[in-house]
Amino acid sequence: ETGVTQTPRHLVMGMTNKKSLKCEQHLGHNAMYWYKQSAKKPLELMFVYNFKEQTENNSVPSRFSPECPNSSHLFLHLHTLQPEDSALYLCASSQVSGGGRSTDTQYFGPGTRLTVL
Amino acid sequence: AQKITQTQPGMFVQEKEAVTLDCTYDTSDPSYGLFWYKQPSSGEMIFLIYQGSYDQQNATEGRYSLNFQKARKSANLVISASQLGDSAMYFCAMREVSGNTGKLIFGQGTTLQVKP
Repeated sequence: ETGVTQTPRHLVMGMTNKKSLKCEQHLGHNAMYWYKQSAKKPLELMFVYNFKEQTENNSVPSRFSPECPNSSHLFLHLHTLQPEDSALYLCASSQVSGGGRSTDTQYFGPGTRLTVL
Repeated sequence: AQKITQTQPGMFVQEKEAVTLDCTYDTSDPSYGLFWYKQPSSGEMIFLIYQGSYDQQNATEGRYSLNFQKARKSANLVISASQLGDSAMYFCAMREVSGNTGKLIFGQGTTLQVKP
């Protein structure tokens, strides 16, 4: 496996279900991200993890719960979702350099297309 | 507040011709980076090209080049010799150095269709 992988690629769940999205990066990066892409809207950053520590939570509802057990894996745990949460969820990773550099390119996985019934 | 604007919801181009996708940005941070990504119908965001705010020359990557006009705060993507496989959604994004979180702000995207 190379790059950033995400599983499952498609997920249909009811509002009372609990499910998890998984992301794995094989690039040796130290930062990972969750984005949400709804139809006809720009990508919205949800969470950022640097060195396994959450550094940003972009006012995401608590029904979305991230977990980063190590720098290669990132999970998004879902529970009691709403139909408006149906979207493409994209994971990304990057190598964040000390001192701050704008060149830290984020590389994305293929996404999980989530449908909430 | 930082902002990215892509004013072209959809564009058409004839195969083998060049096309320019517009992007303007707004930031008060003197140090920032600008990125272009391609998103085919499969969903994956593919990194295309990067331009740093202090770079003196416009970035180029194969058929992709970035027309960076700092005073106008624009970073347009130029695709030369369009191919059918270039049909996709294209996103412009910006990262500010301050804060060092790696946070990217994306534009609304432009859908490009290449006609044979």
